[in-house]
Amino acid sequence: TQLLEQSPQFLSIQEGENLTVYCNSSSVFSSLQWYRQEPGEGPVLLVTVVTGGEVKKLKRLTFQFGDARKDSSLHITAAQPGDTGLYLCAGLGGSNYKLTFGKGTLLTVNP
Amino acid sequence: NAGVTQTPKFQVLKTGQSMTLQCAQDMNHEYMSWYRQDPGMGLRLIHYSVGAGITDQGEVPNGYNVSRSTTEDFPLRLLSAAPSQTSVYFCASSRRAGGNNEQFFGPGTRLTVL
Repeated sequence: TQLLEQSPQFLSIQEGENLTVYCNSSSVFSSLQWYRQEPGEGPVLLVTVVTGGEVKKLKRLTFQFGDARKDSSLHITAAQPGDTGLYLCAGLGGSNYKLTFGKGTLLTVNP
Repeated sequence: NAGVTQTPKFQVLKTGQSMTLQCAQDMNHEYMSWYRQDPGMGLRLIHYSVGAGITDQGEVPNGYNVSRSTTEDFPLRLLSAAPSQTSVYFCASSRRAGGNNEQFFGPGTRLTVL
């Protein structure tokens, strides 16, 4: 069974601060996805990283896939209240049909 | 496009009752899946389908049945509801089976079993 561990589980920061969320595993993934989920809604895909060492930017969000494709990070610069939500990482491993999700990081950005 | 739709949005059942959670997508996606989300547990895969007529088990399939008679619909059936099935259920679809399997999620069904 492939496991993805996310840290921290909870994060509460002030508007304008920077933060990093981590997604770690002992397993190799062929690709890794990041989703954001707001209360009462389904997760929404933010980005997919495929190549070891890959870095993708989405406005103030920077996503990195580890060189060994076992871990990933999400860095947010100058966080805003609109960034509040549950951030989930999900990895595609041996089976292309099954995504393994981490338990998520609940981010609160206070004005 | 409506995307992925789920009905009902909320449901309360008594132990032992059966019901079907409906899921439909209008994007002509090959792959569809059901997850449950519980506090502290993340999203766990229940069943999935790589195309009409093809289904397979995920991580937590016990107590649930699925079928995929059309590309658009993927209902989830609870045979005899138990309190342990209290959860939020999400249906998701992906353009094609294989590839990166990037998921489009529905809005969820919040189920309480008393």
